[in-house]
Amino acid sequence: DVKVTQSSRYLVKRTGEKVFLECVQDMDHENMFWYRQDPGLGLRLIYFSYDVKMKEKGDIPEGYSVSREKKERFSLILESASTNQTSMYLCASSLGGRLNYGYTFGSGTRLTVV
Amino acid sequence: DQQVKQNSPSLSVQEGRISILNCDYTNSMFDYFLWYKKYPAEGPTFLISISSIKDKNEDGRFTVFLNKSAKHLSLHIVPSQPGDSAVYFCAASAANYGQNFVFGPGTRLSVLP
Repeated sequence: DVKVTQSSRYLVKRTGEKVFLECVQDMDHENMFWYRQDPGLGLRLIYFSYDVKMKEKGDIPEGYSVSREKKERFSLILESASTNQTSMYLCASSLGGRLNYGYTFGSGTRLTVV
Repeated sequence: DQQVKQNSPSLSVQEGRISILNCDYTNSMFDYFLWYKKYPAEGPTFLISISSIKDKNEDGRFTVFLNKSAKHLSLHIVPSQPGDSAVYFCAASAANYGQNFVFGPGTRLSVLP
């Protein structure tokens, strides 16, 4: 069974902390994505990567960075966590080429910043 | 400004009846659309897709209709079952967006027994 695995289901962090969210996929997908989900706003793209060591900003990259050192792993970094980054974070991966079944998502990490 | 809109935040339907979830988009370059279903504490899962060369795609109880002139698509679930209760996201992509999809805000469907 193909999978996208996010390392933590729930996280509570303090304001100003550096936070790492990890995502691993076992499908040999080229593309990986980080979204956040907020009520009424749906899924908003933070960063994405089409290849190892490649990264591109999405719609809301401010306050975030990413790292993709290996094809299967895509990390999201909150440099200095703030309360407005409290959200559900979803990692996804896809094969090259968009005309397929879209993304495979992980189960999400619910991050609370206090 | 949202390019993909789902104007109904929630919808309640009786078991066995039809559920119709709507999605509108503003970007005429969008040419490929997906519907995802999301249960609480799980990631979204792919449900059904449609390309702009078609106006209908069917998969079992699920049918998606696309009206390009109105920039509108809808997901029909017939008959609705309690297990269909979830949040449904519409997503759209265009060739010049690369591999990226733009998601709507979602509609929470509740199917009542």
